[in-house]
Amino acid sequence: DTGVSQDPRHKITKRGQNVTFRCDPISEHNRLYWYRQTLGQGPEFLTYFQNEAQLEKSRLLSDRFSAERPKGSFSTLEIQRTEQGDSAMYLCASSPYGLAGYNEQFFGPGTRLTVL
Amino acid sequence: GEDVEQSLFLSVREGDSSVINCTYTDSSSTYLYWYKQEPGAGLQLLTYIFSNMDMKQDQRLTVLLNKKDKHLSLRIADTQTGDSAIYFCAEKRAGNNRKLIWGLGTSLAVNP
Repeated sequence: DTGVSQDPRHKITKRGQNVTFRCDPISEHNRLYWYRQTLGQGPEFLTYFQNEAQLEKSRLLSDRFSAERPKGSFSTLEIQRTEQGDSAMYLCASSPYGLAGYNEQFFGPGTRLTVL
Repeated sequence: GEDVEQSLFLSVREGDSSVINCTYTDSSSTYLYWYKQEPGAGLQLLTYIFSNMDMKQDQRLTVLLNKKDKHLSLRIADTQTGDSAIYFCAEKRAGNNRKLIWGLGTSLAVNP
């Protein structure tokens, strides 16, 4: 399977716990994005990497959220001291770099987080 | 989704055409996209249109863009039950080659 993969697919945690999600992009894609999607909403942009550099972060990404892409391949998204409001689907997408073009983003299946 | 708006629900009969509408506010949008999301599955790009085009056809899909009114539509011909899903409109703005701005999604129900 050469698509974007995410792990785990589901995570249930208690409020106050830390969680970490992993995203493996399509191997030749150097751009990687994290989005959050809650029920009845479209995806909301969280952050974006080009290779290992985190180039943009949304104001939605509070201090409790951190994302890394240490070798420019897979990425992790960590949420510390989870709150019930963090319950959502966390989506990862990747795209190839191009000087111009429609920048198709390929999405993974998402990690569904439930904070009790 | 505040800058991209879509109607939330659409119900059609199998075999009819479906038209899903989207409006956006930023005139600098360069590309506009339609994504499909099925339950338990990731978002799948259906089609896209460059902002200097007014129509694009791809098999059963027709995209119409009215840049003056900032209105985008997706027409699905001969709608099938497998087309039941949530359809998202998204835009990419000039100078921002990264994040997409998304609508809330239109839930399409196809009745046999």
